Amino acid sequence: KQEVTQIPAALSVPEGENLVLNCSFTDSAIYNLQWFRQDPGKGLTSLLLIQSSQREQTSGRLNASLDKSSGRSTLYIAASQPGDSATYLCAVDDPGGSYIPTFGRGTSLIVHP
Amino acid sequence: KAGVTQTPRYLIKTRGQQVTLSCSPISGHRSVSWYQQTPGQGLQFLFEYFSETQRNKGNFPGRFSGRQFSNSRSEMNVSTLELGDSALYLCASNMGQGVAEAFFGQGTRLTVV
Repeated sequence: KQEVTQIPAALSVPEGENLVLNCSFTDSAIYNLQWFRQDPGKGLTSLLLIQSSQREQTSGRLNASLDKSSGRSTLYIAASQPGDSATYLCAVDDPGGSYIPTFGRGTSLIVHP
Repeated sequence: KAGVTQTPRYLIKTRGQQVTLSCSPISGHRSVSWYQQTPGQGLQFLFEYFSETQRNKGNFPGRFSGRQFSNSRSEMNVSTLELGDSALYLCASNMGQGVAEAFFGQGTRLTVV
């Protein structure tokens, strides 16, 4: 059974810092890994999708990398802003091929001015 | 392009009642998945519908059921509500085949009193 772990569980940083959020998974036979952002009480917003054949994806100040062999992904946030405050979740597709993602518990990020 | 729409956004129900939640996927998406999110358990997969058929199912009791219509809209029903059913219910849609980036709705906040 796939298990996804995100470290740290919570993070509080001053504005302007570069951040690294970590995601690890137990079964490396994944199809995709997706990073999401969730604001309190709201739905999930897709940030980046990395296919299993890719090593990284970039969108603006966000960069996500994937190392399937070690079962790890990192989300890099450059020059953090207070508007980045949210919970960040990663999810990997079920290795059985059903495309049902398994989610981590998330990293709660606070960026203070 | 409209996103995933969930209705209603908020619901308050009494123990023993039943409830129906609705999800309209992104146009062209044939797969709709439902999730329950609670502080204690995180995001848990309920079930997935593809082309009006339940394709995958999580580990929830039979009180939780769903269906999908020919236009891909989906409904989720919970019967005999319990206090522990209080949660944010999220639905996600994707193309359903191949590399399937998931897009989430804003969720329905269900409170059982």
